[in-house]
Amino acid sequence: KQEVTQIPAALSVPEGENLVLNCSFTDSAIYNLQWFRQDPGKGLTSLLLIQSSQREQTSGRLNASLDKSSGRSTLYIAASQPGDSATYLCAVHGGATNKLIFGTGTLLAVQP
Amino acid sequence: DAGVIQSPRHEVTEMGQEVTLRCKPISGHNSLFWYRQTMMRGLELLIYFNNNVPIDDSGMPEDRFSAKMPNASFSTLKIQPSEPRDSAVYFCASSPMLRVDNSPLHFGNGTRLTVT
Repeated sequence: KQEVTQIPAALSVPEGENLVLNCSFTDSAIYNLQWFRQDPGKGLTSLLLIQSSQREQTSGRLNASLDKSSGRSTLYIAASQPGDSATYLCAVHGGATNKLIFGTGTLLAVQP
Repeated sequence: DAGVIQSPRHEVTEMGQEVTLRCKPISGHNSLFWYRQTMMRGLELLIYFNNNVPIDDSGMPEDRFSAKMPNASFSTLKIQPSEPRDSAVYFCASSPMLRVDNSPLHFGNGTRLTVT
């Protein structure tokens, strides 16, 4: 059974810092891994999707990496801003089913 | 594009009552998913549909839960009878592809359900 873990559960940084969020999964047989952002009272917004054959994806100040063999992904946020404050969740899609298995998220607070 | 639309945004009901949550996916999306989010268990997939057909309902917690998708533009999640432990935020999501291999999910803003 696939299990997805995110560390840390919460993170507070001053504005302008670069930061890394971590995601680990137990079953490396995945199709892809996605990073989402969730604002309070809102649904999830997809940030980046990395196919199993890819090593990383970039969008603006965000860079996500994937190491299937070690069951790890990182989300790098450069030059953090207060507007980046949100919960970040990773999710893996694997196996024969059409399911995304979500981690429990990292609550990020960027202090102005 | 109005996105995935869920209603109601908030629902407060008493234990034993029937609850119906509604979802309108993005037009043209072939797959629809119902998730439940709680502090204790995070996001859990309850059921998903491809082309209006339920494919996997193994995440539905009990027979009290049922979901339907009568057409491509509407789905419901029903809880009957509701219990306090059903209190959670219920999300609907849709995807343009039959599989989520290479297409991201689009989430609605959720329905916050409180059962007293």
